[in-house]
Order: sequence, then C-alpha cells, then structure tokens
Amino acid sequence: QLQLQESGPGLVKPSETLSLTCTVSGGSISSSSYYWGWIRQPPGKGLEWIGSIYYSGSTYYNPSLKSRVTISVDTSKNQFSLKLSSVTAADTAVYYCAVRQVVTAMIDYWGQGTLVTVSS
Amino acid sequence: QSALTQPRSVSGSPGQSVTISCTGTSSDVGGYNYVSWYQQHPGKAPKLMIYDVSKRPSGVPDRFSGSKSGNTASLTISGLQAEDEADYYCCSYAGSFLFGGGTKLTVL
Repeated sequence: QLQLQESGPGLVKPSETLSLTCTVSGGSISSSSYYWGWIRQPPGKGLEWIGSIYYSGSTYYNPSLKSRVTISVDTSKNQFSLKLSSVTAADTAVYYCAVRQVVTAMIDYWGQGTLVTVSS
Repeated sequence: QSALTQPRSVSGSPGQSVTISCTGTSSDVGGYNYVSWYQQHPGKAPKLMIYDVSKRPSGVPDRFSGSKSGNTASLTISGLQAEDEADYYCCSYAGSFLFGGGTKLTVL
C-alpha cells in the first residue's frame, strides 16, 4: 500500500517558482507499475490535474499548465517533485501528490495535500 | 479541455436515494469507459468511490453505484446516511484526467 507525503513552502511570492516534493513509502519510485503525479484544488473550488511522470522519465502535462510545469523523479530519495514557474494568486491551492497504477484509469493513491499560498 | 459538468448541489433525506450527473463530450465521458467518482469530506483528500464507470473498490458500500449513458455518467447513492454528506467529483480519463466541478451533497 503506497503512502504519499507532500512537503514544501506554504507561501510563494508572485512571479516566483513553486516547488513541492512528494515522498513515497510502501513502494519504489522506480517501479514500472505507477504514474506519479500532481493534482491541485484552489480554495472552495474543484480538482485540476497538473501532470504525471512515468519511471522512464516520460511526462504528461495538462495543456493549460504545460508551459510552466516540470515534474521530475529523484530515485535516490524515492521522491518526485513539482515545479510551477511564474506563479500568480490563481495558483493558490491545495496541492496533492497522486498516483495512478499503470493498469488502471483512476487515481489510486492520494497524499494528504499541502496548501500553497501565492502572495507578496 | 473544459471541466465536466456537474450540478453544484443535491440533497436528500436519510434513507432516500440521490443521483449526481456528470456530463462531458464524446472525447471524454462518452468515448471511454474510464469514469471515476471521488468523495471528499472537508479538509480531507478525495477518496475513490467508483472506477471504470460502475466498479466499486473494496470497502466502498454497495449503496454507491455508477452508470453511463452517452456523454453523461451518473453516481447514485441509495439509502443515504449522514456520513455521505460530502463533495463528489467525477473524473474522466482519456490520456489525461479531466474532473467535474464537484457536487455538494447535503443529507437533510
């Protein structure tokens, strides 16, 4: 059973880069069985898929965010990360790390979420 | 891609049944049998309730059921209980995930 834990700054200034890390336990980030991804939820609003990465390094991004998003994997730490550049107040949200098994078409595992506020 | 369309709110009394709709297009909901539903209580992460249109993960009560007709998927909750009060999100997978705007279920 995978367990996911997000970490990173809770406050980011406008125009800067938001950086979050998801630490994985109960499984290997190098496994070919999972896609490792991020989903966000602005306060009081719905869910938005940001993107995901496969162990091979292949990435898949939401077209609306693609120009600002980078998802990467650190196998030595069993972690994967999100970077979102040029943030504005509209990027204020709870960010969840989320994992999909290769053989499924649903989000099988969720982190608890971390609130990131964009403000000066 | 536009978000899938869900009613903003639905309500029902304990013991009753409610249905939440989720409308997309032939490129998402209508094109694939990859619709999932998530329940979210305040301050908590979403929880998977239905996947592949109508399948239930282990541990999800059989009061929860899913279906699809054309470009519209539906989640039905029968025998409403107080703990079912939550936000519900539909999701379609077609190479990427597309969520609905969410529906707030109130148990009267």
